[in-house]
This record gives sequence, C-alpha cells and structure tokens, in this order.
Amino acid sequence: SQQGEEDPQALSIQEGENATMNCSYKTSINNLQWYRQNSGRGLVHLILIRSNEREKHSGRLRVTLDTSKKSSSLLITASRAADTASYFCATGETSGSRLTFGEGTQLTVNP
Amino acid sequence: DGGITQSPKYLFRKEGQNVTLSCEQNLNHDAMYWYRQDPGQGLRLIYYSQIVNDFQKGDIAEGYSVSREKKESFPLTVTSAQKNPTAFYLCASSSLSRLGYTFGSGTRLTVV
Repeated sequence: SQQGEEDPQALSIQEGENATMNCSYKTSINNLQWYRQNSGRGLVHLILIRSNEREKHSGRLRVTLDTSKKSSSLLITASRAADTASYFCATGETSGSRLTFGEGTQLTVNP
Repeated sequence: DGGITQSPKYLFRKEGQNVTLSCEQNLNHDAMYWYRQDPGQGLRLIYYSQIVNDFQKGDIAEGYSVSREKKESFPLTVTSAQKNPTAFYLCASSSLSRLGYTFGSGTRLTVV
C-alpha cells in the first residue's frame, strides 16, 4: 500500500528558483526519507529525518517534518537544470527496516 | 567501489516463462529489498530480507519468489503466475544501523 502521498504530482520552475515538494503519510513512523530518481535509473538517497527531528539541512536541501500533521516538505533552493528528476518520500516503520514509498513529484527545472 | 548491481538491464519474457533477475551487493548490508515500479508511479515492495535464509512478503508478492542463500545476493524470480510482469524492477539494500537504502540501476522486464 502507498503510505506517502506527494504534492504536487508535477512541478515546473525556472533555474534559480526554489522548489518545494510536500509529502503526507497515514501511520506512525520511525523516520522519513527523500530520494531522487533520474529517468530510467535507480533511486538515490538524499536525506533522512527521524521522527524526533523537526528540520534537517544538507547542502541546498531542507527537509521539515511535522508528526502532528503527518507531513513533510522538501525544499531545494537555487534550483539547477540538473535537479530535474522525480523526487520520492519514503516512510520507515517504527520497527524493522522496510520503507513505503509515495508516488513521487516530477520536478522540471528549465534553464 | 562498493555498490549494488542488477542484471540484466533489459529482459524480455515470453508468456508462460519464468525469469530470474539478479541482484548482488558488496556493501556488507544485512537487508535487501525488491520493488516494482510501473510508469509514472511509485515503488511497491515485492519481497524483502533482513537476514540470510529468511525473507518476508511485501505488498505485491503474488507471482514472485526470492531466495537469500548468501548475504550478497537476493535474486528475484518472476513466475508465469504473475499476470502483468512488464515493469521496472529495483533492488535495494541497507544496513540495519543506517536506514537509507542504496539502489541498483534497475531491470526493465517486458513480456513479448
């Protein structure tokens, strides 16, 4: 079953603008992760935020987590054409290591 | 370099055939996973294994089988019982202490 739902499904912006993607989920989680997928390739892990954390940064990425609203957001600042990809959130169970992925946001950054 | 290797990259299957997708990792990860991705959609978990000689069904296990005889290897067999096997198959691994997954580059399976 799909736990996470990303919003929007597709996002098109100009180079240099910020991109924000949102993820909502239904059940209690241990952690939430964001992944990137270039067309026809495997996924690449971007960032992980644990359920007791509210915000995390990594380079141009900023992730927030609101467990009371069961939602997370991924902000990419100063976007580049090379950021064009699909972005997926994935929720980790409270026990075990399996992840449940959302359906993704397709980000297009126009040069 | 450490990583996870899936082969083949493209695979064609005739109706009624079983096919096996290979997944090998040299990251010393305990856990391995198989996901299926259909066009424009997210990933759905087929099977996963957290330890050698043990594996669990995911959300869409019907028509698939796996084995985990070695820590490094987690092959997936798509059987003739899988009615709609055309999809992109992704293998991943993780250590049980660090929770992020490392993914292979995928196998695209097409029924002809």
